[in-house]
Amino acid sequence: EAQVTQNPRYLITVTGKKLTVTCSQNMNHEYMSWYRQDPGLGLRQIYYSMNVEVTDKGDVPEGYKVSRKEKRNFPLILESPSPNQTSLYFCASRRGEGYTFGSGTRLTVV
Amino acid sequence: AQSVTQPDIHITVSEGASLELRCNYSYGATPYLFWYVQSPGQGLQLLLKYFSGDTLVQGIKGFEAEFKRSQSSFNLRKPSVHWSDAAEYFCAVGVGGSQGNLIFGKGTKLSVKP
Repeated sequence: EAQVTQNPRYLITVTGKKLTVTCSQNMNHEYMSWYRQDPGLGLRQIYYSMNVEVTDKGDVPEGYKVSRKEKRNFPLILESPSPNQTSLYFCASRRGEGYTFGSGTRLTVV
Repeated sequence: AQSVTQPDIHITVSEGASLELRCNYSYGATPYLFWYVQSPGQGLQLLLKYFSGDTLVQGIKGFEAEFKRSQSSFNLRKPSVHWSDAAEYFCAVGVGGSQGNLIFGKGTKLSVKP
């Protein structure tokens, strides 16, 4: 089944403790992206990647890092999480005009 | 800059009534347009999309949307709402063609009265 898989689905962590949210797609898509969703703000793009080793900032990149060492994986890294990064995170991949979204990761930073 | 506006934050309709959710976009070229639905605690589900051709697009669950270039709008409609349609709805615009990104509106929450 074609899908985007995010892990974990839920995560509670403490301020300053580095964490990684993984994203993997099995569709050989070149484009991948991370969004965060906050009440009243919709989904905002954090980072995106056009292909392996090619990444670029979205609208809200501060406090996040990404890497794209292989086509299928696009992890989101929070080096020093803060409470304002508590949010629902979605990974997406795309070929042409068709987007596929992961199921989301709900992150709480206390 | 490209943007998507959903003017209604929250809409309440009675079950069986018709529904129209508004979406306006700001983009210089012809955009790719999408409507997604998100049920509570769930992920995003694509309702329909417009790339080109017929400006009236049919989607899943009985939804349709009409692209009006002159008004920069892509409003979502359903003739008769069901209680299960209660959810949050997001309009999104794909900008920059096949090399571009997806920009979302802030969403409209739909409540359905029995």
